[in-house]
Amino acid sequence: GAVVSQHPSWVICKSGTSVKIECRSLDFQATTMFWYRQFPKQSLMLMATSNEGSKATYEQGVEKDKFLINHASLTLSTLTVTSAHPEDSSFYICSAGIRDSNQPQHFGDGTRLSIL
Amino acid sequence: AQSVAQPEDQVNVAEGNPLTVKCTYSVSGNPYLFWYVQYPNRGLQFLLKYITGDNLVKGSYGFEAEFNKSQTSFHLKKPSALVSDSALYFCAVRDNTGGFKTIFGAGTRLFVKA
Repeated sequence: GAVVSQHPSWVICKSGTSVKIECRSLDFQATTMFWYRQFPKQSLMLMATSNEGSKATYEQGVEKDKFLINHASLTLSTLTVTSAHPEDSSFYICSAGIRDSNQPQHFGDGTRLSIL
Repeated sequence: AQSVAQPEDQVNVAEGNPLTVKCTYSVSGNPYLFWYVQYPNRGLQFLLKYITGDNLVKGSYGFEAEFNKSQTSFHLKKPSALVSDSALYFCAVRDNTGGFKTIFGAGTRLFVKA
């Protein structure tokens, strides 16, 4: 099956630093990538949708200046959490798919972000 | 508005017994339906999907799901549960009228007791 690689898997850093998370589709070209946030024992919260070569579409309530998303190629999207604070600590998951297809999204293994 | 409901936060079943994880949906048109499983500190893994055709679809690890259009349901089933099936299960729906937004249910935690 399709493989989506997400790095790093775990990040611990000080408040105020910026953190970049990478999401790569390894064996297919993803027209669309999604970034989710998951709180403990809760469902996925879609943060933004990005199409290759265009600006990301953010969900209501998600600060676009806080969570910078870049989708420069069909195989790579990045999420940068700028000036991270403890309330940004969470589990972030990326997903990749092919637009207008009936194929499922494929997910990375997630990044556990802990801001001290 | 599109929505997915997983009415049970948690399902408990004994190993070897059949299991069912329920899902109902509300979406216009003919939806694409998916089940995913999530193990601790991992992303979601695709289990199975319904696009069209036979209402009973078979997927990974012995799971299957039954699509019921009249009841707008897509329940996940397995004839004989394993302890290793214990995980968090998500139902998801996507409309097939264009776009790519997938709506996920809240998730159901499955505990299989030995």
